[in-house]
Amino acid sequence: SQTIHQWPATLVQPVGSPLSLECTVEGTSNPNLYWYRQAAGRGLQLLFYSVGIGQISSEVPQNLSASRPQDRQFILSSKKLLLSDSGFYLCAWSSGLKQYFGPGTRLTVT
Amino acid sequence: DQQVKQNSPSLSVQEGRISILNCDYTNSMFDYFLWYKKYPAEGPTFLISISSIKDKNEDGRFTVFLNKSAKHLSLHIVPSQPGDSAVYFCAANTGTASKLTFGTGTRLQVTL
Repeated sequence: SQTIHQWPATLVQPVGSPLSLECTVEGTSNPNLYWYRQAAGRGLQLLFYSVGIGQISSEVPQNLSASRPQDRQFILSSKKLLLSDSGFYLCAWSSGLKQYFGPGTRLTVT
Repeated sequence: DQQVKQNSPSLSVQEGRISILNCDYTNSMFDYFLWYKKYPAEGPTFLISISSIKDKNEDGRFTVFLNKSAKHLSLHIVPSQPGDSAVYFCAANTGTASKLTFGTGTRLQVTL
């Protein structure tokens, strides 16, 4: 069966510091991968998606970037965090029309 | 531009009664719709889906209805149970890389 891992579960970072969130998927090959953010009291906003290694599409202009160095690894990064980057970050994978989500990372920028 | 809308931010239902969660969309290109359930501090879990070629899909206590002419779908939970208390997100597929557009969610509270 397929599983998706995200870490860390929670993170508190100062403004201006770098960020790296990692997501890995097991039990499937060549999945589509996604990064979402849920801000407080809001829905899920798609940030990036990837259909293959090195292929990244950005949905919204922002302070973040994504990379896919391996087939089942997806990384979300920032060089300098802003207060507005606080939120709940979710990684997801799909093979077909359904998406399956990881447990999420709660990021607080102080 | 919110293409998928869940106009009720919250809903309270008694245990054993029916819960009806609603969702409206504006993009006529959407052809697949999904409902997700989310507990606090967890990732959403897939609940049920429906293709635009159908108007109803049922899975146990959960039924999704699609009205394409009205661009409206609803999720029915019957009977509602306390464990159903969560935030429910409606999502629609655009067909490109299986990208999903999510609504803002409805918080369901099932009371005893």
